[in-house]
Amino acid sequence: DVKVTQSSRYLVKRTGEKVFLECVQDMDHENMFWYRQDPGLGLRLIYFSYDVKMKEKGDIPEGYSVSREKKERFSLILESASTNQTSMYLCASRATVYEQYFGPGTRLTVT
Amino acid sequence: RKEVEQDPGPFNVPEGATVAFNCTYSNSASQSFFWYRQDCRKEPKLLMSVYSSGNEDGRFTAQLNRASQYISLLIRDSKLSDSATYLCVVNRGRGSARQLTFGSGTQLTVLP
Repeated sequence: DVKVTQSSRYLVKRTGEKVFLECVQDMDHENMFWYRQDPGLGLRLIYFSYDVKMKEKGDIPEGYSVSREKKERFSLILESASTNQTSMYLCASRATVYEQYFGPGTRLTVT
Repeated sequence: RKEVEQDPGPFNVPEGATVAFNCTYSNSASQSFFWYRQDCRKEPKLLMSVYSSGNEDGRFTAQLNRASQYISLLIRDSKLSDSATYLCVVNRGRGSARQLTFGSGTQLTVLP
C-alpha cells in the first residue's frame, strides 16, 4: 500500500512564526503536491513538484514556499505565519494521472 | 466562475435510496475525470475514474457529458457506509505539469 505521511496531525503556531510542514511518501512517486482545504472552498493547490529540486506554483502560492531535496520528501514552509493560514493542509503524491494519494492532513491553527 | 462546481448538499437519504450528484467543469480541454470520496476528518481517496462511455463499479455509476461539460455520480441502494463527502475532480495542464482540480464536494448522509 502507498503511504503518505505528514509530520504532525495538529499544530498550533503564533503569528509571525516560521512553520515547516513535512510530507514523506514511500512509493517512489515523481509528483508531489501541497493543498489546503477550507470549508466551502474545497482543496486548493498551493505548490507541486514533479521532480527533485523542481517546484511549480499552484493556485494560491502567496505566503508559502516549498522544498524538495529528496524524491520522497516535500516540505511546505510558511515564512511568517498569519491567521488566514489557519487551515487543513494536505500533502499528496502521484505516479500517474489516475490516482493521487493523500496524507492524513495537518490541521494548523495560527493564533 | 469556479473551475469545478458541485452542489454542496447536504443530501440526506434513507438506506436503500438512489442518489445522484452532479458536477460541471469549465475547462473544455480537460481530459481526465474522477470522483473522490472523503470521510469526515479523513483524507480524500479515489472512488472511481469517469470514462466517456460511462462506467459502473458495483452500486456506483459515473457518467460524463463532454458537450455539456457535466459529470454525474449515481449511487444505488445506499448504505450507511456511503455517508461521506464526494469530490468531483478534473485534470488540467499537460505532461509533468498536469494537476487535478477538486470541486468543493457534495455531502451525503445515509440515514437508517
